[in-house]
Amino acid sequence: EAGVTQFPSHSVIEKGQTVTLRCDPISGHDNLYWYRRVMGKEIKFLLHFVKESKQDESGMPNNRFLAERTGGTYSTLKVQPAELEDSGVYFCASSHGGGNTIYFGEGSWLTVV
Amino acid sequence: AQKVTQAQTEISVVEKEDVTLDCVYETRDTTYYLFWYKQPPSGELVFLIRRNSFDEQNEISGRYSWNFQKSTSSFNFTITASQVVDSAVYFCALSVEIYNQGGKLIFGQGTELSVKP
Repeated sequence: EAGVTQFPSHSVIEKGQTVTLRCDPISGHDNLYWYRRVMGKEIKFLLHFVKESKQDESGMPNNRFLAERTGGTYSTLKVQPAELEDSGVYFCASSHGGGNTIYFGEGSWLTVV
Repeated sequence: AQKVTQAQTEISVVEKEDVTLDCVYETRDTTYYLFWYKQPPSGELVFLIRRNSFDEQNEISGRYSWNFQKSTSSFNFTITASQVVDSAVYFCALSVEIYNQGGKLIFGQGTELSVKP
C-alpha cells in the first residue's frame, strides 16, 4: 500500500511567484492534514480536511495560502504570492478516522529567494 | 488550550548509551492521543507510537520504550543502547479528537538526538 505522497519534493521560487504543492493521501483515508515547519521551529498545523470539507483551517497563516481537496482525494496547497518567510518544509498527513494513526508524507521543501 | 513541551532541544550521547527524551503535555480534555515521530536527516516524519489517554501501560518495542504517566502529564521516550542510526529529531505530539473525526496534532519543539560512534 502506498504511503502519503507529496510533490514536488523540493522547490525553489522567487519572492512573488506562485507555488502549488500536491498531496496524495493513503487510499481510503478521509482525513487529510497540512503542516509546516519553518526555519527549524516546531511543526505547526495548517488545516484539516475531512473528505472534501475543511474541518479546521485555524492554522492557515494568511490569505496567501489556499488549500483545496476536490472530490475528497488528493489535495493542493497554493501559496500566492510567496514571501521569504514561507520557506520551510510542508508536510501532508492522512488518517483513516477518529483516533487512528496519522501518517506523514516526506514533505515538500520550499525555498523562497 | 493544548501544549506539548520538549525541554531538551539537543542531546548528544555516545553509542550504546541509554537516552531518555522528555515530553510534557497540557490538555483539559479527558480523551486524547499522544504520539512520537522521528525525523531522520532525510527529512520524512516516521511514526513511532500512538497512545490513547486511557491506556497507561508502558510499551516496549525492541530498543525503544515509552513511559506514559498521566499523574505528571508526561510521555517520555527511552532508547536503550543507542546507535548512530538513531540520530534524528524526535517529536512528541498531542491530538484531541473532534467529534470522532480526527484532530490536529500539536507538536513539541523537537529534540535533536546525536549519537556519536
